[in-house]
Amino acid sequence: KQEVTQIPAALSVPEGENLVLNCSFTDSAIYNLQWFRQDPGKGLTSLLLIQSSQREQTSGRLNASLDKSSGRSTLYIAASQPGDSATYLCAVPSGGSYIPTFGRGTSLIVHP
Amino acid sequence: KAGVTQTPRYLIKTRGQQVTLSCSPISGHRSVSWYQQTPGQGLQFLFEYFSETQRNKGNFPGRFSGRQFSNSRSEMNVSTLELGDSALYLCASRSTSGVTYEQYFGPGTRLTVT
Repeated sequence: KQEVTQIPAALSVPEGENLVLNCSFTDSAIYNLQWFRQDPGKGLTSLLLIQSSQREQTSGRLNASLDKSSGRSTLYIAASQPGDSATYLCAVPSGGSYIPTFGRGTSLIVHP
Repeated sequence: KAGVTQTPRYLIKTRGQQVTLSCSPISGHRSVSWYQQTPGQGLQFLFEYFSETQRNKGNFPGRFSGRQFSNSRSEMNVSTLELGDSALYLCASRSTSGVTYEQYFGPGTRLTVT
């Protein structure tokens, strides 16, 4: 059974810092890994999806990397802004059902 | 392309009542999944429907049920509501063509059971 862990659980940083959020998973037989952002009480917004054959994906100030062999992914946020404050979740579909297992998320606060 | 929509956005119900939530997927997406999100348990998978058939089911009691219509719209029903059913219910759709398996989520329905 896939288990997904996200570290740290919470993070508070001043504006402008570069950040690294971590996601680890136990079963390396994955189809992809998807990073989401969730604002309080809202749905999930897809940020980046990395296919199992890829090593990284970039979108604007976001860069996600994937190391399947070690069961790890990192989300790098460059030059953080207060608008980046949200919870960031990673999701890993594995097994024949393609149903993703979610981590518990990293709650990020970027203060001015 | 319009995103995933969910109705209603907020609901307040009393213990013992039943509730029906609705989800309209992205046009062309035939897979619809439902999730329950609570502070204590995080995001938990309820079930997935594809072409009007339940394809996968999570570990929830039989009070939780769902269905999908021919236009891919989906409903989930919770009968005999309990206080512990208070949660954010999220619906996600994905394309089943290609290999990305990327999921797109709706805004959620906040259910409060009193």
